[in-house]
Amino acid sequence: DIVMTQSPDSLAVSLGERATINCKSSQSVLYSSNNKNYLAWYQQKPGQPPKLLIYWASTRESGVPDRFSGSGSGTDFTLTISSLQAEDVAVYYCQHYYNPPYTFGQGTKLEIK
Amino acid sequence: QVQLQQSGPGLVKPSQTLSLTCAIYGDSVSSNSAAWNWIRQTPSRGLQWLGRTYYRSKWYNDYAVSVKSRISINPDTSKNQFSLQLNSVTPEDTAVYYCARQEGGYKSWGQGTLVTVSS
Repeated sequence: DIVMTQSPDSLAVSLGERATINCKSSQSVLYSSNNKNYLAWYQQKPGQPPKLLIYWASTRESGVPDRFSGSGSGTDFTLTISSLQAEDVAVYYCQHYYNPPYTFGQGTKLEIK
Repeated sequence: QVQLQQSGPGLVKPSQTLSLTCAIYGDSVSSNSAAWNWIRQTPSRGLQWLGRTYYRSKWYNDYAVSVKSRISINPDTSKNQFSLQLNSVTPEDTAVYYCARQEGGYKSWGQGTLVTVSS
């Protein structure tokens, strides 16, 4: 199984500042035949299901604010929130969908400093 | 906009079968591009992918090894839905269960069902 490890486990950032969350996979999730990284980022707020933010490592889902961006390739990925807003307080997860089982990272809790 | 609506009991007795259904609105369970997944979440184990069913000229299933001997995910084309059955449950199977549509990432999720395994 591919193990997804996020860092940090929790993060406190001031409003308007940048937040960066990292995700590392135990093996590459880059599919060579189409040069796509099978990596997604989700945001989860209490009592709600996860919400897709980013897929193919860097493609923003429709309706997601452009302050959210994803980058990276192979085994190392980053979710960046360029200017933190109060509504961004949540737990963030990375997930690979390279091959089953589609494992998730342990989550990063983002709070306001 | 695809919507998923979950249904099923919130309490199951140990050794019995957990059964949940996910109704699909705005897409077809027989879609040739989507896959239909079940995922569960607990505070201690986080988000755990359980399995999926999908149609690519015929039906396929993938299951997590940890539950492979106990799980079945089945499509119901007549009702445009899919189901989860998990046999021989124990308190360790207590979790919030989600269905989700996969096309690349998981773009649509059900509302979640808290299932408690207790006598």
